[in-house]
Amino acid sequence: AQSVTQLGSHVSVSEGALVLLRCNYSSSVPPYLFWYVQYPNQGLQLLLKYTSAATLVKGINGFEAEFKKSETSFHLTKPSAHMSDAAEYFCAVTLSGGYQKVTFGTGTKLQVIP
Amino acid sequence: DAGVIQSPRHEVTEMGQEVTLRCKPISGHDYLFWYRQTMMRGLELLIYFNNNVPIDDSGMPEDRFSAKMPNASFSTLKIQPSEPRDSAVYFCASSYTGGYGYTFGSGTRLTVV
Repeated sequence: AQSVTQLGSHVSVSEGALVLLRCNYSSSVPPYLFWYVQYPNQGLQLLLKYTSAATLVKGINGFEAEFKKSETSFHLTKPSAHMSDAAEYFCAVTLSGGYQKVTFGTGTKLQVIP
Repeated sequence: DAGVIQSPRHEVTEMGQEVTLRCKPISGHDYLFWYRQTMMRGLELLIYFNNNVPIDDSGMPEDRFSAKMPNASFSTLKIQPSEPRDSAVYFCASSYTGGYGYTFGSGTRLTVV
């Protein structure tokens, strides 16, 4: 079975600072990994996805994530935080391409301080 | 593309009443998922369908919950009778074979008083 662990349920950064949200996965076979973002009172939106094509994945809104097999990690980063980045971020894993059953992490709420 | 459409956006009902949540997936998507989100339990997969057939309903909390997908463009999640602990945001999501990732609807916020 696969799972993801998100370290830190709340992260605060200053506007313009680096954003780093941590995700570690557990999987017996090469996984597919995702980051979703949820803005208040909205559904989740796909931010980026790792499908084994490239280890560094770029997504929307300037976010990127790097798949590191040796560390079983898929951390989300953005060089410079913007106020509009304040949201909750979910890491997710599947073994089946991402169109079937996906397991979500518990989420990390990002606060951006002006 | 209008995306995944859920209705209603908000529902307030009294304990014991029947509640029906509705979802229209994206045209051409052959997978449909129902999730529940609460502060305490996070995102929970309740049930998912492939080509209108339920594949895994192991997340349905109890017999009070039922879900149907009579055709490729419509699904319902019914709670009968509703209880205060059912209060949550219910999300519908869809995907397609060979794709990567889900498209979520905006959710239905259910409050049972």
